Amino acid sequence: IQLTQSPSFLSASVGDRVTITCRASQGISSYLAWYQQKPGKAPKLLIYAASTLQSGVPSRFSGSGSGTEFTLTISSLQPEDFATYYCQQLNSYPYSFGQGTKLEIK
Amino acid sequence: EVQLVESGGGLVQPGRSLRLSCAASGFTFDDYAMHWVRQAPGKGLEWVSGISWNSGSTGYADSVKGRFTISRDNAKNSLYLQMNSLRAEDTALYYCAKARVYSSGGAIDYWGQGTLVTVSS
Repeated sequence: IQLTQSPSFLSASVGDRVTITCRASQGISSYLAWYQQKPGKAPKLLIYAASTLQSGVPSRFSGSGSGTEFTLTISSLQPEDFATYYCQQLNSYPYSFGQGTKLEIK
Repeated sequence: EVQLVESGGGLVQPGRSLRLSCAASGFTFDDYAMHWVRQAPGKGLEWVSGISWNSGSTGYADSVKGRFTISRDNAKNSLYLQMNSLRAEDTALYYCAKARVYSSGGAIDYWGQGTLVTVSS
């Protein structure tokens, strides 16, 4: 199953609302997760089961979608949110990640 | 506190083998599926392999199928990745990762810091 994220690069300002899309090449129900990775660090789980917020993750992060189209929304960007974001499908082996979306400060 | 500590990485020649280990602590190891995820320098994440709580189900990326073998020893709270016939394109930081659930379908909620594998002559 191929996952395609868009955009690959995103430039935004603190306070902006941003949306990242992840499209699957075939239906994956709600078996989708979103991760945030900062340089030199391991990824961090943000959202699982497409829309469930991981414990401890700020509520400005939200996820939606099912089937083949999913979105990650950050309602009001904070300075610490500038990072790279990945989606991952967990519907069937081999699990796969999207290519990543790098969110940069405008 | 959940801890995942990888070891076994290093410099290896193409065609040779390497075995990665991951020591887990801070949770009931045999209650959760585990995974290996890698990241080549400057590149994105690539899922490598996963194993269910009781080793009954395993999966591999197409790029490593037939060359890599995942295993676990629940008595030792340890996860392993046997890597054979290594290629230059296997060069990456390899993360040990814990799933949220015991079998398939669960997202990864904890990651180690990674062990670097470099395949070069």
